[in-house]
Amino acid sequence: ETGVTQTPRHLVMGMTNKKSLKCEQHLGHNAMYWYKQSAKKPLELMFVYNFKEQTENNSVPSRFSPECPNSSHLFLHLHTLQPEDSALYLCASSQDQGGPRAFFGQGTRLTVV
Amino acid sequence: AQSVAQPEDQVNVAEGNPLTVKCTYSVSGNPYLFWYVQYPNRGLQFLLKYITGDNLVKGSYGFEAEFNKSQTSFHLKKPSALVSDSALYFCAVRDDAGNNRKLIWGLGTSLAVNP
Repeated sequence: ETGVTQTPRHLVMGMTNKKSLKCEQHLGHNAMYWYKQSAKKPLELMFVYNFKEQTENNSVPSRFSPECPNSSHLFLHLHTLQPEDSALYLCASSQDQGGPRAFFGQGTRLTVV
Repeated sequence: AQSVAQPEDQVNVAEGNPLTVKCTYSVSGNPYLFWYVQYPNRGLQFLLKYITGDNLVKGSYGFEAEFNKSQTSFHLKKPSALVSDSALYFCAVRDDAGNNRKLIWGLGTSLAVNP
C-alpha cells in the first residue's frame, strides 16, 4: 500500500451522469495530483493542488471539476463525459509540489458509455 | 523543452537473465530522473530516483539505474530478472532549471519476463 487510496476502483457511467472520484492520503503530504492514463499515451497531468490551492490546470475540459477540501482529500467531479474520457484516473501525492517522489493510488478505471 | 523517451514499447527477457529498460531525456538544466513501475490494475510505484551524487542508483526490488550525462540516458537494469518483474515501467524527468517543477513522463515500456 502506498498510503494513497482511491475510490471507486471501477466506474461505468453514462454520458449524462454525474459522478465523483475520491482520493485520500494520510501521508501528511501537501501536494496532490490528478493524472489521466490512456493506452499508448504518456501520463497526462490534469490538476495540481498545493496546500489546498489549485496551482495547475493543464487545459482540462470543464466537464472535469476538481475539489480539494483539505490537504488529505481530493475529488474529481465528472459530468457529461464523452466516451474518449474512458481511462485510468490516478491520484498522487507528494510532500511538496514537484516531488521529489510521488505516491500513487491504485487508480479508478472509468468507462463512459 | 523537456522530454523523455523510452524507445522500446516492449522488452522480453528470460527469467534469470539480466534486463535493461532504456530511457533517454532532454532538459535545459540538470535532470531529476525517476523510474516507476506499474503492475496490472495498480497505480504507479516508485522504484528509484537520481538527483545528484553517484551515477549508479540502487532502488527497490533489486533494480538499479545508471545516470549517463554524456549520453543523456538513465537506463533501468537488474542483474537477474524474475517473472514477477513483468510490468509496465515508466521513466520520468524533471528539469531543475527555472520554476518548472512538472514531471515529464515517458510512454512506458512493457517488460515481459518468461519462465
